[in-house]
Amino acid sequence: QVQLVQSGAEVKKPGSSVKVSCKASGGTFSSYTISWVRQAPGQGLEWMGRIIPILGIANYAQKFQGRVTITADKSTSTAYMELSSLRSEDTAVYYCARQTQVDTAMVLWGQGTLVTVSS
Amino acid sequence: SYVLTQPPSVSVAPGQTARITCGGNNIGSKSVHWYQQKPGQAPVLVVYDDSDRPSGIPERFSGSNSGNTATLTISRVEAGDEADYYCQVWDSSSDRVFGGGTKLTVL
Repeated sequence: QVQLVQSGAEVKKPGSSVKVSCKASGGTFSSYTISWVRQAPGQGLEWMGRIIPILGIANYAQKFQGRVTITADKSTSTAYMELSSLRSEDTAVYYCARQTQVDTAMVLWGQGTLVTVSS
Repeated sequence: SYVLTQPPSVSVAPGQTARITCGGNNIGSKSVHWYQQKPGQAPVLVVYDDSDRPSGIPERFSGSNSGNTATLTISRVEAGDEADYYCQVWDSSSDRVFGGGTKLTVL
């Protein structure tokens, strides 16, 4: 049974960067798409971007263009989301989610990674 | 920009039927997916492509989509169904792929 296992919680200073990982445990990425979604405290879900690991092609939500980089390492079936120039409003739980294809449902989610931005 | 509109809250008594709507311009022409999120947990897909259920999701969960409204229907509601529910579509004109979410309260 494939699971998406994310890295642990992070505390970061404003202006710094954070890199969150998402490993497909018990399987590989194959031709899946991996999306990243975040959720600020008490708020709804917000899509940040996605990558097709076997192609290395990523696209990003306009809101995060220039601040987010999504990459993937096929050899370890691990995806990464790096967010730079952090501010307090970036405090959120960050989720990775697997899709069968680009414009399909997010069928499998990671457990989430809490990123706290505080001075 | 494509906007998905959900009611902030829906309340229903146990055993009754809950209907959660998701409004969007001509949403009937799109595939709608629904997620359930309980406090402190990651979202779980409960309906995909308007009306299909993933393996392990009870038949009590069903979906429909027509015109400008998609609907998630939960029959014979149980206390364990209390959660936030989000609709989601992909639209090339928008990065806002999720609705604002609906809190389902079981009375």
